[in-house]
Amino acid sequence: EAGVAQSPRYKIIEKRQSVAFWCNPISGHATLYWYQQILGQGPKLLIQFQNNGVVDDSQLPKDRFSAERLKGVDSTLKIQPAKLEDSAVYLCASRPSGRALETQYFGPGTRLLVL
Amino acid sequence: AQSVSQHNHHVILSEAASLELGCNYSYGGTVNLFWYVQYPGQHLQLLLKYFSGDPLVKGIKGFEAEFIKSKFSFNLRKPSVQWSDTAEYFCAVNEANSGGYQKVTFGTGTKLQVIP
Repeated sequence: EAGVAQSPRYKIIEKRQSVAFWCNPISGHATLYWYQQILGQGPKLLIQFQNNGVVDDSQLPKDRFSAERLKGVDSTLKIQPAKLEDSAVYLCASRPSGRALETQYFGPGTRLLVL
Repeated sequence: AQSVSQHNHHVILSEAASLELGCNYSYGGTVNLFWYVQYPGQHLQLLLKYFSGDPLVKGIKGFEAEFIKSKFSFNLRKPSVQWSDTAEYFCAVNEANSGGYQKVTFGTGTKLQVIP
């Protein structure tokens, strides 16, 4: 079974530029998460999708971050404009159907450096 | 909002030593509890989880964790560590709800270094 795929793996941009990350969850997984992991901290949930609908985006800085999952499969996370404090690893995770007992499966992450 | 505390940021052990990593959470309701591990250069992966029933949970690679509700704790243990256990360990807590919705809060992580 293929795992959660993310691209790019690394990205370096200057502040005020825009950037986009892509995630393809495990086939058939209805629930998709984006996390931000700043160096020295644990992952922080940014947004959660159930199919193509947003379940929770309470911690997403909506003035600069946006995410979509138009067809309920892959997803993109965008930052526009980027700030220095956005430097982090952006993790995507998925799980099958949203039932409580299911495990989240994580992708390799995209490491973003904002200069 | 709930919080998760991991007391040790960096632990160094010799092979065959026993391991205990602390984890405390703040939420007073029903919780689901997880330990995730990230080996160098690899993805975060689930080590073990607690949803209900026996508070002593066994996971992969000889790890176990005990849920003590009165102490709001979910400490991770292993009787004898190996060099291959060198990794970063994250405790995570989900506020359980009837809808199956998971909103997981992670701790800051503990880096474990095992010396051969």
